[in-house]
Amino acid sequence: DARVTQTPRHKVTEMGQEVTMRCQPILGHNTVFWYRQTMMQGLELLAYFRNRAPLDDSGMPKDRFSAEMPDATLATLKIQPSEPRDSAVYFCASGPTLNTEAFFGQGTRLTVV
Amino acid sequence: QKEVEQNSGPLSVPEGAIASLNCTYSDRGSQSFFWYRQYSGKSPELIMSIYSNGDKEDGRFTAQLNKASQYVSLLIRDSQPSDSATYLCAVNSGTYKYIFGTGTRLKVLA
Repeated sequence: DARVTQTPRHKVTEMGQEVTMRCQPILGHNTVFWYRQTMMQGLELLAYFRNRAPLDDSGMPKDRFSAEMPDATLATLKIQPSEPRDSAVYFCASGPTLNTEAFFGQGTRLTVV
Repeated sequence: QKEVEQNSGPLSVPEGAIASLNCTYSDRGSQSFFWYRQYSGKSPELIMSIYSNGDKEDGRFTAQLNKASQYVSLLIRDSQPSDSATYLCAVNSGTYKYIFGTGTRLKVLA
């Protein structure tokens, strides 16, 4: 059963702490997307990768967010330092190519207090 | 102007009726178009993809694409209460950005 796996599913942290979210894309998919979802803004594209190379991260606050793909089976999204306004659900999605469907993981619900 | 626009709803239809969901996009270079369904507290689930002008049918779902008018629609025939969810339109732009609309909430009344 091929699916995108995200960890952790839930994270509560204090303001100022570092948060790392992980994503294992579907095996064989070469495109990975990171999204943030809030009630107010909907699904916002933060960054995306093709063959582990970042193509665009213009959706991320550069001063505190970073996204990487250390290898083909792992994508990470890091927030340092975290702020209450970062509270949201963060989704990772992967697709076989840049122009086809993307499949979502179950998300990481982040609460920063 | 938002890149992908949808009416937020809620759109209420009686059980058994046809639900019609619409989406417009701004980037004329967009190449591929998708509809996702999202239940409350869950992740988006792909239900349809469409790449060329015209209609594409899959079971009770029909996606329609008109690139000249820059709109995509989704028809759900014989709507069921289990179809009640938020429907998200996604557009893969000319720069391969995969952009979502804010979604239309559908309520199917039993």
